[in-house]
Amino acid sequence: DSGVTQTPKHLITATGQRVTLRCSPRSGDLSVYWYQQSLDQGLQFLIQYYNGEERAKGNILERFSAQQFPDLHSELNLSSLELGDSALYFCASSVGGGGNYGYTFGSGTRLTVV
Amino acid sequence: GQQVMQIPQYQHVQEGEDFTTYCNSSTTLSNIQWYKQRPGGHPVFLIQLVKSGEVKKQKRLTFQFGEAKKNSSLHITATQTTDVGTYFCAGPRAGNNRKLIWGLGTSLAVNP
Repeated sequence: DSGVTQTPKHLITATGQRVTLRCSPRSGDLSVYWYQQSLDQGLQFLIQYYNGEERAKGNILERFSAQQFPDLHSELNLSSLELGDSALYFCASSVGGGGNYGYTFGSGTRLTVV
Repeated sequence: GQQVMQIPQYQHVQEGEDFTTYCNSSTTLSNIQWYKQRPGGHPVFLIQLVKSGEVKKQKRLTFQFGEAKKNSSLHITATQTTDVGTYFCAGPRAGNNRKLIWGLGTSLAVNP
C-alpha cells in the first residue's frame, strides 16, 4: 500500500458518459498530480494541484476537469467520453509542489470506454 | 519542446546479465528521478539525484547523473527476474520546477 488511494480500481462505461475518479493523497502530502497512461505508453501529465489550488497543467483535454478539496483529496472528472479515453489513470502525491520531490503513485483506475 | 529521451525502448536479457538504460534531456534538469513500474502495477519512486556527477547505489542498482545535468543512467548488475518492469526517468527543467518531464521508459524483460 503506497498510501495514495484511488477509487474505483476499474470502470467500464459507454461513450458519451461522464465519470469521476477519486484520489486521496498520502498523509502529509499537499500536492496531487493526475496522469494518463495508455496501453504500453508513457505517462502523460494532466494536471497538478497544490493545497487546493491548480498549480500546473499538462495535456488535459477540455472535456476533463479536476479539483482538490479542502481535505486534500482530489477528483478527476471525464465527460463526453470517447473510445480513445480508455486508459489507466494514475494519481500521485508529493509533500511539496512541482518536481523537487519524489512522487508516490496510487494503484490507478483502469477506465474502459465501450 | 522539452524532451527526455530514454534508450533503449526495450531490452531482453538473460538472468545474470547486466542492464543499462540511458536518459537524455534536451535541457538542464534540476534533478533526475527514477521510477520502476512492474507489469500491471503503478510507478514506484526509486531514487532522486540532485548534484552534478552524482552517483548513488541501491544494492545491484547504480544511478548516475551527468556532469551537465542533462543525462542519467541506471545500471543493474546481475539482473534477476524481479527486475522485470519499465524504468522511467523524470526531472524538472532547471528554473521551472513546476513539472516533471518524463521519459517514455525502458521495458526490461529477464529470461530465467
